[in-house]
Amino acid sequence: AQKITQTQPGMFVQEKEAVTLDCTYDTSDQSYGLFWYKQPSSGEMIFLIYQGSYDEQNATEGRYSLNFQKARKSANLVISASQLGDSAMYFCAMRGTTGGSYIPTFGRGTSLIVHP
Amino acid sequence: GAGVSQSPSNKVTEKGKDVELRCDPISGHTALYWYRQRLGQGLEFLIYFQGNSAPDKSGLPSDRFSAERTGESVSTLTIQRTQQEDSAVYLCASSLRTGFTAATDTQYFGPGTRLTVL
Repeated sequence: AQKITQTQPGMFVQEKEAVTLDCTYDTSDQSYGLFWYKQPSSGEMIFLIYQGSYDEQNATEGRYSLNFQKARKSANLVISASQLGDSAMYFCAMRGTTGGSYIPTFGRGTSLIVHP
Repeated sequence: GAGVSQSPSNKVTEKGKDVELRCDPISGHTALYWYRQRLGQGLEFLIYFQGNSAPDKSGLPSDRFSAERTGESVSTLTIQRTQQEDSAVYLCASSLRTGFTAATDTQYFGPGTRLTVL
């Protein structure tokens, strides 16, 4: 079975500083994808970044980067130069091929608050 | 292009009534997912459609929940005999297809339907 663990229920960061949101995963699959989504108070789920299990380089999308450590089964999200608009819930997710199914699994989320 | 749309945006119903929630995925997306998100919680997978394959219904919490999809387009999630514990936001997402690349596998979410069961 797949499992996503986000151990930080809440994080605080000063504007313009970098912040790392932790995510560890557990799977026996060889092929899988890892995702990060942002959910502001408005409720929409916004895709941020994707890492495939076979990707050798860490994914980057603008201010977002994914620190992928396959041996440790971790996929931490790094946000550089935090902005006030980054305040939101952040969800780590994965999708594997357990039993031939492609069910995605989401973590419980981390609430990020950016202070001015 | 148009994103994932869901209707209604809000639904208030009385306990015991049936409700139907609708999802219009992004055109061309063969994979479609339904999730439930209770207040302050993460996403709970409900059901997954991939093209014309049989849907994966393993996340449906009870036989009161069912979903259909017409080809690779609209999907409806039906909850029969609603209970107060069904109150949640129901999110729909679509992806291009199944595969392990960002292009194929990224799920794009709709705005959700907030269901309140009185």
